[in-house]
Amino acid sequence: QLQLQESGPGLVKPSETLSLTCVVSGGSISSRSVYWGWIRQPPGKGLEWIGNIYYSGITNYNPSLKSRVTVSIDTSKGQFSLKLSSVTAADTAVYYCARLTVTPRPWGVYFDHWGQGTLVTVSS
Amino acid sequence: QSALTQPPSVSGAPGQRVTISCTGSSSNIGAGYDVHWYQQLPGTGTAPKLLIYDNTNRPSGVPERFSGSKSGTSASLAITGLQAGDEAYYYCQSYDSTLSGYVFGTGTKVTVL
Repeated sequence: QLQLQESGPGLVKPSETLSLTCVVSGGSISSRSVYWGWIRQPPGKGLEWIGNIYYSGITNYNPSLKSRVTVSIDTSKGQFSLKLSSVTAADTAVYYCARLTVTPRPWGVYFDHWGQGTLVTVSS
Repeated sequence: QSALTQPPSVSGAPGQRVTISCTGSSSNIGAGYDVHWYQQLPGTGTAPKLLIYDNTNRPSGVPERFSGSKSGTSASLAITGLQAGDEAYYYCQSYDSTLSGYVFGTGTKVTVL
């Protein structure tokens, strides 16, 4: 049974960098038919895709966050990470890591396994 | 403002059928990109669960009461035989070529009366 678990600081100061890690267990992070990604959800609001990465290191980012986001992967440790720089209160959210299954269709991707999520608050 | 618009809420009595619309445009659903649906049960930090993928397909374990469809620039999720346990938020998701990324709908809260 595939499981994903996020970890990282729950409180980050404004202007600093948010860093989270997602550990993948019960499956291979090097699978050729999936991506690994991050999604966030501000309190009381909807879901926002942040970015994703392939086992080879190829990334794809939300253009609205691209200048501040870095997603990386360490296949030897079975984990991938998120860094979001220059955070403000607007970045306060529950951050989820997820597996994205790729379909043969153009830009065909769905999020089929999710971590439990971790709340990150940006405050001084 | 999301590229995919859903009604904020829908409600129905137990046993009834409800539908949730997901309205897009020519840069997402209308362009032929597939639509997927997620269920997020109440509670802070409860992770979404994949409900429908590739417009109409149910993952293993999802009851047949849930079904998806797509036409033109819109998609719909139908829930038949509504149950108390179906109370949740539901989100559609697709790809948008103008935004160059994956987008989620605004979300719909389903209430069982």
